Amino acid sequence: EAEVAQSPRYKITEKSQAVAFWCDPISGHATLYWYRQILGQGPELLVQFQDESVVDDSQLPKDRFSAERLKGVDSTLKIQPAELGDSAMYLCASSPHRRNIQETQYFGPGTRLLVL
Amino acid sequence: DAKTTQPTSMDCAEGRAANLPCNHSTISGNEYVYWYRQIHSQGPQYIIHGLKNNETNEMASLIITEDRKSSTLILPHATLRDTAVYYCIVRVGSNTGKLIFGQGTTLQVKP
Repeated sequence: EAEVAQSPRYKITEKSQAVAFWCDPISGHATLYWYRQILGQGPELLVQFQDESVVDDSQLPKDRFSAERLKGVDSTLKIQPAELGDSAMYLCASSPHRRNIQETQYFGPGTRLLVL
Repeated sequence: DAKTTQPTSMDCAEGRAANLPCNHSTISGNEYVYWYRQIHSQGPQYIIHGLKNNETNEMASLIITEDRKSSTLILPHATLRDTAVYYCIVRVGSNTGKLIFGQGTTLQVKP
């Protein structure tokens, strides 16, 4: 069964450093999502792509976070500089984007970030 | 998107049915009810979704009340591997819209 791939699985960094996460969605999935999950809470959407275009980044802290999906396939989420409050699980999800059909989002295993 | 209310935690005996309730009293006519679960340290996993009819798949059954203000997720024969946080999500009709997760219900299946 096809899965969403994410790397790294774990990342420890010091505050003020740059950090990047990578996501490879299920092949053929046009829609890609990045969520952040703080310990004890549910995931919260950071950014949504439709192919290579951003369709929702209203909750992305744009002063330090950036996301790209240059060829409409895999995606990178970057934080620069990292702050202590960025410690969380970063989840990537994808869905096929078929017209008029309710979409299921498939999640990857996540990247757990610890900022020291 | 409509808000949902779920109990914080529930216990269930292994082999018995687990019934997880969810209130969504402000749901609109075009909003779907989704259920996901998240096993410790893993990404959320889709379980089932529905609009107004009851739904069943290989994992669970979803019972939606006639007024659509509440629903119940049923795991017919819970196993220890079903221990997880279960999220009830009401999603607006856009088929690619974001999921807004609440706190969820922590289900503990006990031997």
